[in-house]
Amino acid sequence: AQKITQTQPGMFVQEKEAVTLDCTYDTSDPSYGLFWYKQPSSGEMIFLIYQGSYDQQNATEGRYSLNFQKARKSANLVISASQLGDSAMYFCAMREGDAGGTSYGKLTFGQGTILTVHP
Amino acid sequence: DGGITQSPKYLFRKEGQNVTLSCEQNLNHDAMYWYRQDPGQGLRLIYYSQIVNDFQKGDIAEGYSVSREKKESFPLTVTSAQKNPTAFYLCASSIGRGPTEAFFGQGTRLTVV
Repeated sequence: AQKITQTQPGMFVQEKEAVTLDCTYDTSDPSYGLFWYKQPSSGEMIFLIYQGSYDQQNATEGRYSLNFQKARKSANLVISASQLGDSAMYFCAMREGDAGGTSYGKLTFGQGTILTVHP
Repeated sequence: DGGITQSPKYLFRKEGQNVTLSCEQNLNHDAMYWYRQDPGQGLRLIYYSQIVNDFQKGDIAEGYSVSREKKESFPLTVTSAQKNPTAFYLCASSIGRGPTEAFFGQGTRLTVV
């Protein structure tokens, strides 16, 4: 069953504008981690940001912030001041069972969102 | 330098043959993962391992096999039972739990000819 859902196959944004990439997840485990990765056309996977299920504050890393709404099971990525180099595929991921259990350590990804930044 | 090494970068296989993709890490990570990515698609989990000599099936394990005899190594064998093996394969590793990201190799592009 799909546990990570990214509903936006593609997004367009003007350079220097902010953009939000959506991610919803489903898990019954109270302890989990949420990740965002960037994949340029070269294929490499670049880690952007992490949010733990028990973290009280939304994670931020430079121009990246994660809008974590636990009750809605959403973990949207916000990119501020978009740059041309931000054009890439973006993946949301979840690692379940940080406290143990049968799904311990299982790291699953969503289908991705292709972001295109226009000059 | 520490990291994950996948080899080869490109691999061609004839139909009906088994082929093994290599994944080695020197990060001292406990957890290792194999993913398959089809063009324009997301990453689908094939197998993962949390400790040596133990591994779990992911969402698309059929037609694949793995071993974890050493902490540093997690090879993936694509068997002849995998009906559509042409894809991009990514290996990853992580400490295992907590606010630690998974580090990825550069990937192996497998083509069946």
